[in-house]
Amino acid sequence: EVQLVESGGGLVQPGGSLRLSCAASGFTVTDNYMNWVRQAPGKGLQWVSVLYSGGNTDYTDSVKGRFTISRDNSKNTVYLQMNSLRAEDTAVYYCARTMVQTSWFDPWGQGTLVTVSS
Amino acid sequence: QSVLTQPPSVSGAPRQRVTISCSGSSSNIGNNAVNWYQQLPGKAPKLLIYYDDLLPSGISDRFSGSKSGTSASLAISGLQSEDEADYYCAAWDDSLRGWVFGGGTKLTVL
Repeated sequence: EVQLVESGGGLVQPGGSLRLSCAASGFTVTDNYMNWVRQAPGKGLQWVSVLYSGGNTDYTDSVKGRFTISRDNSKNTVYLQMNSLRAEDTAVYYCARTMVQTSWFDPWGQGTLVTVSS
Repeated sequence: QSVLTQPPSVSGAPRQRVTISCSGSSSNIGNNAVNWYQQLPGKAPKLLIYYDDLLPSGISDRFSGSKSGTSASLAISGLQSEDEADYYCAAWDDSLRGWVFGGGTKLTVL
């Protein structure tokens, strides 16, 4: 079964750091594009970052220079390192797969909540 | 402000048909595939329609998608109470070099 399981969310103070993990099963992360998508409380979906199969990355403008997406091939896991966190980063963060040369997100993980507050 | 524009809400009675619109531009919908996601209350989003009008395995054929120019639509026929959810359109944006979403449409089954 193709599945994604996120972890690592929690409460962090403004300016702090957090690392999210996304463990994949049923497929290999290096053969796909892996994304992070977030949803602020009561708001819509926002794409955050992608790690392409070849290793290149892209980020939405609001997180460039603060967030870093990476992967551990041996663990088949993708990470999102979040630094200099702001209140507006508060959201549920979802991990989602995009198959190579396609554009849709499937499947999605269950999400992990990040709360940035003092 | 979302790059893709959706109505905030739509409603319909059981067994009726509703449509949800999604408006974009030449850099996203006009040049790339549109995908739709269903988010049930308290749940993660789920792929509903891909590549404009294709249904993933396991998705009811009561759902259908279409696209014309820089706009797309999601239609739901034979409305059921279990269809109450938020629906999002999304596409790759060539100018922004990233995926963009609509603001989401809340479907209420009366």
